[in-house]
Amino acid sequence: AQSVAQPEDQVNVAEGNPLTVKCTYSVSGNPYLFWYVQYPNRGLQFLLKYITGDNLVKGSYGFEAEFNKSQTSFHLKKPSALVSDSALYFCAVRDMRIAMLTFGGGTRLMVKP
Amino acid sequence: DGGITQSPKYLFRKEGQNVTLSCEQNLNHDAMYWYRQDPGQGLRLIYYSQIVNDFQKGDIAEGYSVSREKKESFPLTVTSAQKNPTAFYLCASSMVGQEAFFGQGTRLTVV
Repeated sequence: AQSVAQPEDQVNVAEGNPLTVKCTYSVSGNPYLFWYVQYPNRGLQFLLKYITGDNLVKGSYGFEAEFNKSQTSFHLKKPSALVSDSALYFCAVRDMRIAMLTFGGGTRLMVKP
Repeated sequence: DGGITQSPKYLFRKEGQNVTLSCEQNLNHDAMYWYRQDPGQGLRLIYYSQIVNDFQKGDIAEGYSVSREKKESFPLTVTSAQKNPTAFYLCASSMVGQEAFFGQGTRLTVV
């Protein structure tokens, strides 16, 4: 069975400071990894993905994530947070061999002015 | 416009009634998914389908049913066996190895 853990329900950061949202995963085969963002009462918007290649992945709105195979982690980062980054963030994993896409419980990011 | 469309946006169900949520995509994606989201919670997988005429149970399939008769359509039926159906339902689609695209969701309320 595959799973995703987001250990923090909420992350608080001041505007302009760097942010990190943590994600660890478990999957039998090689993983595809994704980060999504959700604003209230909306669907999910794709931020970035790791499929293969460079461990550091850059995505939309200045976000990036680092794939660490030994620690089975895929933490989301941004060098300088904006108030508008405040939202619910989800990490997801998919085994390369099957279509099943599993999400973590989500982390609420609060950026304060 | 290419995309994934869920309808209706809001749905009200009486106790003991079956209801069907629509999900249509024109992205030519092979895989489609249904998730349930409860307030302040993560996404839990109900069913997914890799190809037409084939689908697999997710983590919380009990009380739900799906069909995949056409590549572009993956309707979800919430049956009377689902005891607590009030939730936000999200449909998604993807190609192999690519990110999933999500619809805007259907909010189901039992009245």
